[in-house]
Amino acid sequence: QQQVKQSPQSLIVQKGGIPIINCAYENTAFDYFPWYQQFPGKGPALLIAIRPDVSEKKEGRFTISFNKSAKQFSLHIMDSQPGDSATYFCAASTTGGNNRLAFGKGNQVVVIP
Amino acid sequence: DTGVSQDPRHKITKRGQNVTFRCDPISEHNRLYWYRQTLGQGPEFLTYFQNEAQLEKSRLLSDRFSAERPKGSFSTLEIQRTEQGDSAMYLCASSREGGGETQYFGPGTRLLVL
Repeated sequence: QQQVKQSPQSLIVQKGGIPIINCAYENTAFDYFPWYQQFPGKGPALLIAIRPDVSEKKEGRFTISFNKSAKQFSLHIMDSQPGDSATYFCAASTTGGNNRLAFGKGNQVVVIP
Repeated sequence: DTGVSQDPRHKITKRGQNVTFRCDPISEHNRLYWYRQTLGQGPEFLTYFQNEAQLEKSRLLSDRFSAERPKGSFSTLEIQRTEQGDSAMYLCASSREGGGETQYFGPGTRLLVL
């Protein structure tokens, strides 16, 4: 079954807008939550990651918000640019073991110039 | 370039043939993962190595699949008697040992089984 559920499936925003992608998880043993960006024909590349001991993390124009009690986390892309058009995946893992990642289905973001 | 590399990038084969993919991880990384990604889906875990030891296999990895990492460096993934349902992108990732270490992905091998 899908351990990490991602919504919405696709987003179209104007340049400068703030696309927000949401993820929910069930397994409370998860303690590491990365977001990956993937361009067509390429492998996923890590954007930003968070652990449940903080509620927000910012790196450049990317922000993760984390709600431990709701078992939800989201990615915000500030001042979005056409070059941000890609598929974004949330993932989760349990770092005490083999750290294998459980991915969401992905969200296609299109930023219109 | 010192990232994860995979070979070949594309493979077209006929149903029933065997195929083998190679992954070269980042040199100091002792953890290596294989994932499979189908169109419109996120990557799904297949198997994991720590050094040369294969420590976990997903139930997605049927008996037709075998993976090796003979000297704890590069890894191979072989699919025997390929089926059309094996068509997917096969991704390799590597990381250092330790919880929460970033997994760096290669560009993937796209397999098409006719």
